[in-house]
Amino acid sequence: EDQVTQSPEALRLQEGESSSLNCSYTVSGLRGLFWYRQDPGKGPEFLFTLYSAGEEKEKERLKATLTKKESFLHITAPKPEDSATYLCAVRPATGRRALTFGSGTRLQVQP
Amino acid sequence: GAVVSQHPSWVICKSGTSVKIECRSLDFQATTMFWYRQFPKQSLMLMATSNEGSKATYEQGVEKDKFLINHASLTLSTLTVTSAHPEDSSFYICSARDSEYSNQPQHFGDGTRLSIL
Repeated sequence: EDQVTQSPEALRLQEGESSSLNCSYTVSGLRGLFWYRQDPGKGPEFLFTLYSAGEEKEKERLKATLTKKESFLHITAPKPEDSATYLCAVRPATGRRALTFGSGTRLQVQP
Repeated sequence: GAVVSQHPSWVICKSGTSVKIECRSLDFQATTMFWYRQFPKQSLMLMATSNEGSKATYEQGVEKDKFLINHASLTLSTLTVTSAHPEDSSFYICSARDSEYSNQPQHFGDGTRLSIL
């Protein structure tokens, strides 16, 4: 059974204080690992897709990396507007087409 | 970019009422749409996979007679919560993927908050 575990559950940072969020996964062949951002009362907003170990993607202050067992979302010099819940999800290479989500990391960036 | 529209965004109704939620893909065709449920401070739990022109596939523990799914076209899927009760109160989110490129990410609607009194 596919499993996704995210840590920490919650993270509070000062503006400008860089950090990383972790996503550990177990999947029967990885078709893709996805990072989403979710604001309160909204649906998830797509950030990145990673397909193979060693791959990296960047967008503004965010950088996602992937190994065979985990993915990291690095946040460099965060701003208060980066406050949100960050969700990691995997899609297996075979079988079920839907994403399996982790429980998310609630990030709060204080000014 | 791809956009998924969900309506209504918020529903309050009495116990025993049936509620219909619409999910539309606005600028792409989606043969597959997904319906998720999310409780406060928890992640998204897949309820069912909706396939255009055929029956939906429900996850274990989800009552198909309670949560009716219809996917009549490549751009519209509906979820009907029949005879809703307070325990059905939750945040329901739909998702769709461009049918032509299966490795494309799923895009999500903004969710429907359902409150049953």
